[in-house]
Amino acid sequence: KAGVTQTPRYLIKTRGQQVTLSCSPISGHRSVSWYQQTPGQGLQFLFEYFSETQRNKGNFPGRFSGRQFSNSRSEMNVSTLELGDSALYLCASSRQPGALLWRGYTFGSGTRLTVV
Amino acid sequence: KNEVEQSPQNLTAQEGEFITINCSYSVGISALHWLQQHPGGGIVSLFMLSSGKKKHGRLIATINIQEKHSSLHITASHPRDSAVYICAVMNTDKLIFGTGTRLQVFP
Repeated sequence: KAGVTQTPRYLIKTRGQQVTLSCSPISGHRSVSWYQQTPGQGLQFLFEYFSETQRNKGNFPGRFSGRQFSNSRSEMNVSTLELGDSALYLCASSRQPGALLWRGYTFGSGTRLTVV
Repeated sequence: KNEVEQSPQNLTAQEGEFITINCSYSVGISALHWLQQHPGGGIVSLFMLSSGKKKHGRLIATINIQEKHSSLHITASHPRDSAVYICAVMNTDKLIFGTGTRLQVFP
């Protein structure tokens, strides 16, 4: 079966621009969560969606937002990009939400965003 | 100070060596996870622990709740074990990640 698909794989943007990243979960998975990974901070949780509703949110500014569609595909948007937003953005999907069910999560390969 | 600390940050080994990666945390947890991330970026869950020890093939994970410490061991390491290993703890309703240990195993 197809895995979690993230598009695009690589992206270069300039400061002040906005960006939208896409995540298509595994068929049948209704939960999608997003993570930011940087060399200095490691992995940090952004938010989780289940059945089109945001279920949980990490400690990120309001410039970071997301949504989930009825087909479970999810997008995340970052507005007014800053240099510090350069990172690998990973999404993961699972049948049910909740990090306790971590072992049921499948990760995509990520989108590497570079802000210049 | 990070709530989850891993050591070492980088580790190189010769094929066949015994590897240990350590994780210490300073918050209360309900579970601890060991994750493996390959160069392509994808992450795989290796273990979820709340007490004791778990073994899967050449991988062994232990946790000491009183000392707030966990270790991941790899016996008879192989170049295909080269990856970043990440410790993550479940604190209330959120996961807190360590910054990872980059392991390179040379033939």
